[in-house]
Amino acid sequence: GNSVTQMEGPVTLSEEAFLTINCTYTATGYPSLFWYVQYPGEGLQLLLKATKADDKGSNKGFEATYRKETTSFHLEKGSVQVSDSAVYFCALKENSGYSTLTFGKGTMLLVSP
Amino acid sequence: EPEVTQTPSHQVTQMGQEVILRCVPISNHLYFYWYRQILGQKVEFLVSFYNNEISEKSEIFDDQFSVERPDGSNFTLKIRSTKLEDSAMYFCASSSTQGALNTGELFFGEGSRLTVL
Repeated sequence: GNSVTQMEGPVTLSEEAFLTINCTYTATGYPSLFWYVQYPGEGLQLLLKATKADDKGSNKGFEATYRKETTSFHLEKGSVQVSDSAVYFCALKENSGYSTLTFGKGTMLLVSP
Repeated sequence: EPEVTQTPSHQVTQMGQEVILRCVPISNHLYFYWYRQILGQKVEFLVSFYNNEISEKSEIFDDQFSVERPDGSNFTLKIRSTKLEDSAMYFCASSSTQGALNTGELFFGEGSRLTVL
């Protein structure tokens, strides 16, 4: 079956530090990959996505590249802000049928001034 | 900006009691979902719903769970006889498309935290 594994949190950084949150996946086919973010008091919202190998998703300064050879989709940002403090969820979806999103556990990011 | 809203934000109940969690999806969306996250574990799919019927469900979604769209706006999850292991955050989501056409963008509510004592 499909599964997503994320690095354990919390990840604690100072403002302007470089961020990496690791995500690896297991899938039977060739899925699309996603990062969702949940800010305090809000619902999960799509941050970025990539639909095929070597695609790079990007949004709000965050990037992730779909690496089929390492089955990874690591989230990166060059310079984090306090406002980036949130829980980040990696997810996948098979590109056929009525499949749904498979999520990881989520990684909490705490950015201090 | 349209959003998915959920009520209650937190409910505490005794084991064996019935619980109804409510969701108001985005108004022009047609596909509705429930997910849950037990503390410290992954966000798990429970069920998807379209055209007034369940389109997909997971192993978790057993006979004690049911979903309903009682009117044109609400989407509810009912747990008939709660167990301790039902304690979790329950997320409702909606989307405008599903399946192969779905880009994967689901719109989630803030979640309803259920605590079963």
